[in-house]
Amino acid sequence: DAGITQSPRHKVTETGTPVTLRCHQTENHRYMYWYRQDPGHGLRLIHYSYGVKDTDKGEVSDGYSVSRSKTEDFLLTLESATSSQTSVYFCAISRTGTSYEQYFGPGTRLTVT
Amino acid sequence: AQRVTQPEKLLSVFKGAPVELKCNYSYSGSPELFWYVQYSRQRLQLLLRHISRESIKGFTADLNKGETSFHLKKPFAQEEDSAMYYCALSLRTGNQFYFGTGTSLTVIP
Repeated sequence: DAGITQSPRHKVTETGTPVTLRCHQTENHRYMYWYRQDPGHGLRLIHYSYGVKDTDKGEVSDGYSVSRSKTEDFLLTLESATSSQTSVYFCAISRTGTSYEQYFGPGTRLTVT
Repeated sequence: AQRVTQPEKLLSVFKGAPVELKCNYSYSGSPELFWYVQYSRQRLQLLLRHISRESIKGFTADLNKGETSFHLKKPFAQEEDSAMYYCALSLRTGNQFYFGTGTSLTVIP
């Protein structure tokens, strides 16, 4: 599992509240990613990080922000949660070198009511 | 632009039958291609990478650059193969990784 954990694993929150999801890795990988998984859309990249304090937007970044103050932690924040952000969120790392395959965390199921 | 296309959202086959999950990509360079599998309510797991030309759980996939395809095949489907399968493409940089929309495979006993 490449030492990737996510917290919380499940969360129910109300529209308009801020939410922060945490991704933690133990193998010191440079690249980290946040995806959302929705039926019919597959996985869509929200934000990614290529180092401490280095982040960039993905395909569906509106309404989300990220921070990476330590190599091992990558935080995803929903500034003001909306029902359209109900989804399963996956964190991933990329093992660079000979190949760039990604390894995923267990996911966080977020429900916005 | 859609980099990876999986034309089948749902695919059902009988146990013991051959299975093929289609994946087409659009990229003129030399991408890396992968298949990921996700069993019910679990994390995505790397199944195959084209550069290693390996066979995992009886699955194989061949990169066809002429047809820009990377179809996943297995000669005899098993019930435990029922899962969601995603094709993915990497442009060999850390920030360019694209997933298809997935194919849900059901193997009927």
